[in-house]
Amino acid sequence: DTGVSQDPRHKITKRGQNVTFRCDPISEHNRLYWYRQTLGQGPEFLTYFQNEAQLEKSRLLSDRFSAERPKGSFSTLEIQRTEQGDSAMYLCASSLAGVYGYTFGSGTRLTVV
Amino acid sequence: QQQVKQSPQSLIVQKGGISIINCAYENTAFDYFPWYQQFPGKGPALLIAIRPDVSEKKEGRFTISFNKSAKQFSLHIMDSQPGDSATYFCAASMGGAQKLVFGQGTRLTINP
Repeated sequence: DTGVSQDPRHKITKRGQNVTFRCDPISEHNRLYWYRQTLGQGPEFLTYFQNEAQLEKSRLLSDRFSAERPKGSFSTLEIQRTEQGDSAMYLCASSLAGVYGYTFGSGTRLTVV
Repeated sequence: QQQVKQSPQSLIVQKGGISIINCAYENTAFDYFPWYQQFPGKGPALLIAIRPDVSEKKEGRFTISFNKSAKQFSLHIMDSQPGDSATYFCAASMGGAQKLVFGQGTRLTINP
């Protein structure tokens, strides 16, 4: 598989619960990005990694959100104490540093009830 | 300054026609302008992109026109086909981070 893989594809959770999503980038890509997309809107940048270093975080990423990329391979995005406003599609993308254009995964759709 | 404004919000075109979607930006530091195509339940897929040193780029039926002085760029889809029905997003980024700022999206419907 040469694409960006995200797991799970869908997640329904009760308000207040914690959730964790996983992203496996294209193997040779050293950059990994997380975006959030709400219905009818374009994706919004959350954070990105180069190898294992988290280089930038958006102000959208509240204290309840944390992302990791141990060993510079896969990444996880955790949301603690979920709120209804967290319901969205969470997209992961990867690229090579210095190369414009990146590949998105199919996303994880989160529904908080 | 970080916004990219996209229009129209939705567009209906007859098969074989030309679909045109427009975007405008404010930040002159942007140096990369891609267009993404997204089908329901899928992530965005890179369609075509342009750097500000050229005014037009063509790949098959897809063309980007770029007007640096007006800070606008547009996507033209020639000979539009029903399979082109999707949501299209323009985007922009600057510098090495490649962090993309997306437009609001255009839902394109091609009638057979």
